[in-house]
Amino acid sequence: GAVVSQHPSRVICKSGTSVKIECRSLDFQATTMFWYRQFPKKSLMLMATSNEGSKATYEQGVEKDKFLINHASLTLSTLTVTSAHPEDSSFYICSAQTWSSPLHFGNGTRLTVT
Amino acid sequence: ILNVEQSPQSLHVQEGDSTNFTCSFPSSNFYALHWYRWETAKSPEALFVMTLNGDEKKKGRISATLNTKEGYSYLYIKGSQPEDSATYLCASYNNNDMRFGAGTRLTVKP
Repeated sequence: GAVVSQHPSRVICKSGTSVKIECRSLDFQATTMFWYRQFPKKSLMLMATSNEGSKATYEQGVEKDKFLINHASLTLSTLTVTSAHPEDSSFYICSAQTWSSPLHFGNGTRLTVT
Repeated sequence: ILNVEQSPQSLHVQEGDSTNFTCSFPSSNFYALHWYRWETAKSPEALFVMTLNGDEKKKGRISATLNTKEGYSYLYIKGSQPEDSATYLCASYNNNDMRFGAGTRLTVKP
């Protein structure tokens, strides 16, 4: 079955630094990739939708300059949390999709900002 | 802005009970409805992708129905087992927009 690899699975960084999270579709070309964040005791919140070769579409309330998304190829999207602060600590998860297929999720990244 | 709602928010059942819950979604410009099983801090597992009005899908003891005209989908679990305990998420695709519901948290007691 389709596999999406997300890396790293856990990262701890200091406040003010930037962190990059990678999302790769290993055995298929993803026309669209999505980035989510999970707040405690809540469901997944869609942050942005990323199409290969074009700018990401951000959801309302998500800061574009803080959460930089790059989708350079059909198999790779990256999320960079810039100038991270403790309130950015969260579980971030990506998903990838081909046309009319279900979403294939990565295993998520637990970010802790100290 | 899409509004996808799931009910109930949480559900506690005894092992062996059958149960069901609802996902309601906008019916305009509907493209697809997805169901996922999700254990927190793990990757959501796709259960069903449904597109046609009247669709019924089944996977083991879990099945789902779809009504695109009125904008709802039911997920059924027959003979619940403790391992069915998870959050069940639905996501609706309308046009190029996709939204998840808040999920139904199912707990099955042995």
